[in-house]
Amino acid sequence: AQKITQTQPGMFVQEKEAVTLDCTYDTSDPSYGLFWYKQPSSGEMIFLIYQGSYDQQNATEGRYSLNFQKARKSANLVISASQLGDSAMYFCAMRERSGGSNYKLTFGKGTLLTVNP
Amino acid sequence: DTAVSQTPKYLVTQMGNDKSIKCEQNLGHDTMYWYKQDSKKFLKIMFSYNNKELIINETVPNRFSPKSPDKAHLNLHINSLELGDSAVYFCASSPRLRQGNNEQFFGPGTRLTVL
Repeated sequence: AQKITQTQPGMFVQEKEAVTLDCTYDTSDPSYGLFWYKQPSSGEMIFLIYQGSYDQQNATEGRYSLNFQKARKSANLVISASQLGDSAMYFCAMRERSGGSNYKLTFGKGTLLTVNP
Repeated sequence: DTAVSQTPKYLVTQMGNDKSIKCEQNLGHDTMYWYKQDSKKFLKIMFSYNNKELIINETVPNRFSPKSPDKAHLNLHINSLELGDSAVYFCASSPRLRQGNNEQFFGPGTRLTVL
């Protein structure tokens, strides 16, 4: 079963508008972390934002915010005031335990965001 | 200075060959990883090392052998390359924290093409 689900293979948004990229997760571990990474066409993986399972407030980093709804197991990324440079693949990932005190990241399949001028 | 570097950036080779990809991080992190990103952009962990010790070994063919000479380096050697090995391979590193944001820093990736 998929542990990280991104239901939107592709999304379009108009420049300067806000967009929400969906991510739901599944875990029985009470301690976990959720990450969003951006992968532009050049291929590098860029860390955007992190939300810990015990964090009381939603994470924000500049134009990025994470809409964390723990009961629904969702961690949607909100990008405000979209820019052309935001066009990229976006991955949601969950840090989960992998035996003992070791952790690994499990990634969703990604959402390709296109920002239109 | 580059935090996580990989060489080579591109690798084109024939089926059956053996090749290596090198990874180095200068962040002082304890943990390093190898990920494979397939043609559909799906990113999956292959291995993880902590202080030169293998701690995660996902279901990966024995033809893949990681080697960590020290905690700043994690190399990936692939024997008898197959067409299905064509992918982008990412190295990453993170501090080993049990709690908090142990963000993984990714290298630029190595695009492997097996002909």
